[in-house]
Amino acid sequence: DADVTQTPRNRITKTGKRIMLECSQTKGHDRMYWYRQDPGLGLQLIYYSFDVKDINKGEISDGYSVSRQAQAKFSLSLESAIPNQTALYFCATSEGRNTEAFFGQGTRLTVV
Amino acid sequence: GQQVMQIPQYQHVQEGEDFTTYCNSSTTLSNIQWYKQRPGGHPVFLIQLVKSGEVKKQKRLTFQFGEAKKNSSLHITATQTTDVGTYFCAGRRDSSYKLIFGSGTRLLVRP
Repeated sequence: DADVTQTPRNRITKTGKRIMLECSQTKGHDRMYWYRQDPGLGLQLIYYSFDVKDINKGEISDGYSVSRQAQAKFSLSLESAIPNQTALYFCATSEGRNTEAFFGQGTRLTVV
Repeated sequence: GQQVMQIPQYQHVQEGEDFTTYCNSSTTLSNIQWYKQRPGGHPVFLIQLVKSGEVKKQKRLTFQFGEAKKNSSLHITATQTTDVGTYFCAGRRDSSYKLIFGSGTRLLVRP
């Protein structure tokens, strides 16, 4: 089983709909992240959380919100999806600030 | 803000040829990490460099961190088809929580 699990793996949604992407981890890490990947643009940080009570905006947080329901769970919401939010979304965890990041399998989101 | 540029964006080599990707930061980094993403997969950590001028090797892969801690490179000797994928560098400033990723270099290897 994967240490970092994302659901769903693929999703097609309509413009204006609310959608939630979920991430759970079994690594016991406090730090969790949401990244967005677009072709040619690498990975851009959307939000990150260092513990259940700590949520921070990343580089591209507009149009997104997050919830850290527990140490193991970190969900990303698009309140009103728009086509330019079509992308591959990755959740990641890390043990500390200067340690490696472990990525989930990704969620491919298409907004039509 | 902090930017991490990576070149080339894309490289297609014959199996057995060498490959290098370069990463440059607009600011001094406390450390740099390298990740590999196979086609259809997720980024997987390869290595972290911390010291100025540091060089690390993993079999055919050689990683370098510049003296000024603003640039880094990944060199693959004698590429194999299993090296196919996108290679990302990711840097972090001393005082920063954020791991900033480069745009990646996509490597294709002709058998």
